[in-house]
Amino acid sequence: AQTVTQSQPEMSVQEAETVTLSCTYDTSESDYYLFWYKQPPSRQMILVIRQEAYKQQNATENRFSVNFQKAAKSFSLKISDSQLGDAAMYFCAYNQGGKLIFGQGTELSVKP
Amino acid sequence: GAGVSQSPSNKVTEKGKDVELRCDPISGHTALYWYRQRLGQGLEFLIYFQGNSAPDKSGLPSDRFSAERTGESVSTLTIQRTQQEDSAVYLCASSLSGSSGSVDTQYFGPGTRLTVL
Repeated sequence: AQTVTQSQPEMSVQEAETVTLSCTYDTSESDYYLFWYKQPPSRQMILVIRQEAYKQQNATENRFSVNFQKAAKSFSLKISDSQLGDAAMYFCAYNQGGKLIFGQGTELSVKP
Repeated sequence: GAGVSQSPSNKVTEKGKDVELRCDPISGHTALYWYRQRLGQGLEFLIYFQGNSAPDKSGLPSDRFSAERTGESVSTLTIQRTQQEDSAVYLCASSLSGSSGSVDTQYFGPGTRLTVL
């Protein structure tokens, strides 16, 4: 079965600095999709970025980018120029037949 | 357009009571998903609907949990004889389509926080 592991329960970053959140996964599939979701205290899950495994180019969305290492089954999220509004729980997820398998999350705090 | 909505926002119930949680997906989305999030944990998949049928119920934790969807729109998650371990946030998501291998983005509602006393 596919599993997703986020080894950093908590991370902290200074405003305007860069932070990287780690995610590893286990799968025997060759083609799949990975996602990062953000969950602020409002509980609303918000899609941050998605990556298609067959694409070699790392996905980028404004200040958010991923470092996708398929052979290592690693999918880290880099947040550049961190802002106070980035403070939230971040979940990595793997798409399995439509349903999402989530990691345990990383709580990111941003210091002014 | 309107996003996914869920009601109630919060629900407090006594052990042994039945509860119904409602989800209204984005209009036109054929796939609908229910997840459970226990305190401090990630989301656990419960059930997936494609139209009005549920091809994947593998995440339902016991026969006390059931869900239905009507008119390819609203879905209701029912928990019978609630237990304290059922306390969690129940999140609903919808996507444009949900055929096997689909990679359409899932859009989430704000969730229902269920507390069983």
